[in-house]
Amino acid sequence: DAGVIQSPRHEVTEMGQEVTLRCKPISGHDYLFWYRQTMMRGLELLIYFNNNVPIDDSGMPEDRFSAKMPNASFSTLKIQPSEPRDSAVYFCASSLAAQGRAEAFFGQGTRLTVV
Amino acid sequence: GQNIDQPTEMTATEGAIVQINCTYQTSGFNGLFWYQQHAGEAPTFLSYNVLDGLEEKGRFSSFLSRSKGYSYLLLKELQMKDSASYLCAVRDRSYGGSQGNLIFGKGTKLSVKP
Repeated sequence: DAGVIQSPRHEVTEMGQEVTLRCKPISGHDYLFWYRQTMMRGLELLIYFNNNVPIDDSGMPEDRFSAKMPNASFSTLKIQPSEPRDSAVYFCASSLAAQGRAEAFFGQGTRLTVV
Repeated sequence: GQNIDQPTEMTATEGAIVQINCTYQTSGFNGLFWYQQHAGEAPTFLSYNVLDGLEEKGRFSSFLSRSKGYSYLLLKELQMKDSASYLCAVRDRSYGGSQGNLIFGKGTKLSVKP
């Protein structure tokens, strides 16, 4: 398997624009996670899905953020409208389970810069 | 609430041993992970502890004391390629889902010098 695949790797956009980040999890993994990483706050969980269903979105910072998982092999994280403070690296991760020693496998991340 | 503390940065010499500490406070501890993250790359899994004691895996070992809310990652025979950030993460039952999701510390940036 190619691992978790994210696109784009880098995104530079102007404040107010819509941004869509994409993720393809590892085949067979039932859990998908979206994280955001910044120097100040480290790695924060935004939302996670189990079998394509959003389970916990309490980490989503504002209504400007939304995430979908229309099928088992694809998820999107959308920011509309984007703001400079949204600049961060956004990671998607997937795992077989969300318990015990089930490890999360991370994609290479999308580095978002909002100017 | 949850709180995970790690030193921000550490420096060590090639060939030496380094210990990276992690202390945590969670209401529903259900396992501790260490991840390695090279600059500009994704975090990758290193180790998992759920019971007290030492888990050894090659040059890397991880220790857990649940009563003290404490873990450390021990890296032996340091190599230049070990320069990376090391993230401590705790699975907390009170944080999303029945078994709990991972809460990450901010990471310790390790620099290995020749």
